[in-house]
Amino acid sequence: GESVGLHLPTLSVQEGDNSIINCAYSNSASDYFIWYKQESGKGPQFIIDIRSNMDKRQGQRVTVLLNKTVKHLSLQIAATQPGDSAVYFCAENRANQGGKLIFGQGTELSVKP
Amino acid sequence: DAGVIQSPRHEVTEMGQEVTLRCKPISGHDYLFWYRQTMMRGLELLIYFNNNVPIDDSGMPEDRFSAKMPNASFSTLKIQPSEPRDSAVYFCASTRDAMGETQYFGPGTRLLVL
Repeated sequence: GESVGLHLPTLSVQEGDNSIINCAYSNSASDYFIWYKQESGKGPQFIIDIRSNMDKRQGQRVTVLLNKTVKHLSLQIAATQPGDSAVYFCAENRANQGGKLIFGQGTELSVKP
Repeated sequence: DAGVIQSPRHEVTEMGQEVTLRCKPISGHDYLFWYRQTMMRGLELLIYFNNNVPIDDSGMPEDRFSAKMPNASFSTLKIQPSEPRDSAVYFCASTRDAMGETQYFGPGTRLLVL
């Protein structure tokens, strides 16, 4: 079937540690992926994106890795801070479906001080 | 840029009433999306527009839901009549290009139908 899913619904890390959030996708036609962060009471906020012609992209404290062979995406957050506590969604842009953005179920990241 | 603007931020209404949600996309963005978010179903795409024209409304739950985009800077999502199961957070998002460009979300409208 067609789906974007997350392996873990919740993740708890210690402040200062690195966080890794995983995501699986099933549509090989997908060519653009986005990670969003959603804080309580707010809309999803763009964090970082990656296109299918890349396997790694880095931002400020965040890195996205794309493994097209196994259709797997991950978000790495370095030196996790309390402000990183939120729900993180991966989203898949399906070029063969008019550019629809399909969201995963979300992973809740909790940072312990 | 003010970002995507939605109103109202909160809406409480009684079953059977008409509800109208409003959205102003980011200036210059040709695509506008309406999403619904619930705990059970996550983020669902309801409908999206390109240059004010509805492109895909396959996510609209039923005939009680309708969306319009009369011009490039304004869209509405209407529910008539509303039902308790419509209670959710409704997000509007916009982007310059749906193919490989980030969608920017508004703050959402929290709808509670009693």
